[in-house]
Amino acid sequence: GIQVEQSPPDLILQEGANSTLRCNFSDSVNNLQWFHQNPWGQLINLFYIPSGTKQNGRLSATTVATERYSLLYISSSQTTDSGVYFCAVENRAAGNKLTFGGGTRVLVKP
Amino acid sequence: TAGITQAPTSQILAAGRSMTLRCTQDMRHNAMYWYRQDLGLGLRLIHYSNTAGTTGKGEVPDGYSVSRANTDDFPLTLASAVPSQTSVYFCASSLEGRTEAFFGQGTRLTVV
Repeated sequence: GIQVEQSPPDLILQEGANSTLRCNFSDSVNNLQWFHQNPWGQLINLFYIPSGTKQNGRLSATTVATERYSLLYISSSQTTDSGVYFCAVENRAAGNKLTFGGGTRVLVKP
Repeated sequence: TAGITQAPTSQILAAGRSMTLRCTQDMRHNAMYWYRQDLGLGLRLIHYSNTAGTTGKGEVPDGYSVSRANTDDFPLTLASAVPSQTSVYFCASSLEGRTEAFFGQGTRLTVV
């Protein structure tokens, strides 16, 4: 099946810093989503972004489908940004079901 | 809007006992999924359903069964629980399987 790799696995930031998280995938996709899992375990939808660029406040994401990667940008990080960020993809070969990467664990220090 | 609701929130279960995790959505999504998340790991697909009346196996289906009698409900059953099924279980739904998926709040299950 499709492989999804996220980097870095862990990230420690000082409040106010910017960061970039990466998601590489091994095959063409028809869906890509970014999620934030907060410290209480909830999965929060950040972006549905199979291609192109989107922005939502301090977060933005870019997917370059032809090169099989997506980037999540966090600007001016806040302690509430702490948690695990997951990338998940769907492709037709896998029957259109979301396959998750291993996640990037982010800790923002005050 | 309730979205997608899971019950119970958490449960401690004796090994060998059976249990059904409930999942209900009110978004009229045709596709529904069950994932498990083990400590420190990403989510892995257990079973899915593309439409009412159909189900399929995911990456880790052994020891679990599902049914999809109607659009809204997608229960997950553990017939005889084992400690390795200790995990957090997430239910999700999407429209037609190729649009944005939404997740429930999760069920934390401990099998002892």
